[in-house]
Amino acid sequence: EAGVAQSPRYKIIEKRQSVAFWCNPISGHATLYWYQQILGQGPKLLIQFQNNGVVDDSQLPKDRFSAERLKGVDSTLKIQPAKLEDSAVYLCASRADPNTEAFFGQGTRLTVV
Amino acid sequence: AQSVSQHNHHVILSEAASLELGCNYSYGGTVNLFWYVQYPGQHLQLLLKYFSGDPLVKGIKGFEAEFIKSKFSFNLRKPSVQWSDTAEYFCAVTRSILTGGGNKLTFGTGTQLKVEL
Repeated sequence: EAGVAQSPRYKIIEKRQSVAFWCNPISGHATLYWYQQILGQGPKLLIQFQNNGVVDDSQLPKDRFSAERLKGVDSTLKIQPAKLEDSAVYLCASRADPNTEAFFGQGTRLTVV
Repeated sequence: AQSVSQHNHHVILSEAASLELGCNYSYGGTVNLFWYVQYPGQHLQLLLKYFSGDPLVKGIKGFEAEFIKSKFSFNLRKPSVQWSDTAEYFCAVTRSILTGGGNKLTFGTGTQLKVEL
C-alpha cells in the first residue's frame, strides 16, 4: 500500500513570498489532515477535510493560510504572504475512518528567511 | 475541547533501562488513544493504539501502554530500551465515534528520548 506523499520535502523562501505544499493521501482515505509542527513542539492541527469538505479549520490563520481538497483526493496548502514564524514542518496525514489510525507523510520543511 | 499533556519533554536513559512516558488527556467522554514515534529523519509512525477492550495494549518493538480511564492516562512503557529507540514520542487522542467524535486528532507536545550505550 502506497503511503501519504508530500512535496516538496524542503522549501526556503523569503518573508512575504508565497508557497504551496501538496499532499496525496492514501487511496480511499476520506479524512485528510494538515498539521504544522514547529521545532520542539507537537503537531498542531491546521485543517481537517472529510472528503472535499472542511470539518475543522479553527486553528488555520485564514488571513494568510488557505487549503483545498478538490475532488476529495489530493490537497494543497498555501501560505501567502509567509512570515518568519511560519518556519516549521508541514505534515499531511490521512485516515480511512474513525476506527483506524492516521498515516503520515514525510512532511515539508519550510524555512522562511 | 480535547487536549493532551506529556509531562516529560526530554528523557535520557541507558540501554536496558526501563521506560515510562506519561500521557494525560482532557476529554471526559469515550476516547481513542494513540502513541506515535518519529525516528530521526523519518515520518510519524504508529506504535500502538487503543479503541476499546483490554486496557493494556501491546504495540511494535516491545512497547505497551495502559489506558487508565479514572486517571485520564495512557502511559507508554518498555521494560528494556535499546539505542535504536532514540526518537521523539507523541501521544494523541480522538473522541470516539460512539460519542459523536469528529475524527479530530490532537497531539501532545512530544517527549524526546535519548538512549545512551
